[in-house]
Amino acid sequence: AQSVTQLGSHVSVSEGALVLLRCNYSSSVPPYLFWYVQYPNQGLQLLLKYTSAATLVKGINGFEAEFKKSETSFHLTKPSAHMSDAAEYFCAVSAPGGSNDYKLSFGAGTTVTVRA
Amino acid sequence: DAGVIQSPRHEVTEMGQEVTLRCKPISGHDYLFWYRQTMMRGLELLIYFNNNVPIDDSGMPEDRFSAKMPNASFSTLKIQPSEPRDSAVYFCASSLGQGWGEQYFGPGTRLTVT
Repeated sequence: AQSVTQLGSHVSVSEGALVLLRCNYSSSVPPYLFWYVQYPNQGLQLLLKYTSAATLVKGINGFEAEFKKSETSFHLTKPSAHMSDAAEYFCAVSAPGGSNDYKLSFGAGTTVTVRA
Repeated sequence: DAGVIQSPRHEVTEMGQEVTLRCKPISGHDYLFWYRQTMMRGLELLIYFNNNVPIDDSGMPEDRFSAKMPNASFSTLKIQPSEPRDSAVYFCASSLGQGWGEQYFGPGTRLTVT
């Protein structure tokens, strides 16, 4: 079975500073990896996904993530935080090819606050 | 595109009452998922459907929970009888074919059972 671990339940950054959210995965098969964002009182929205193509994936709102197989990691970064980035971020994994093709396993989430 | 639609957005009910949550997936999507989100347990997949057929309901917590998808544009999640520990935000999501996790989430239904 696949799973993800998000390191740090809360991250606080200054506006304009680097945002770094950490995610490590566990999967018995080559995984597909995702980052979702949840703004207050809203559903989850896909930020970006890795599906075995380029290891550096660019998403919406200036976010990007790098798949590192040797480190089983898929960390999310944004060079310069904006106040509108305040939200909860979820890393997720799926393992295509098995009976659970379409099941996503989510991490516990990381809440980002942005200081003015 | 209207996105995934869920109703009601908020539901407050008393313990023992029946609760029905509704979802309309994005037109043309063939997978539908029901999730529950709580502070303690995070996001949990309850059940998912493919072409209106339930594929995996192993996440349904107990027999009090049931889900149906009578057609491609409508699904319900029912709790009967409801209990305070069912209080959570319930999300519906849909995806198209081999979306490989590119699921589109609705705004959620916040359920409070008193």
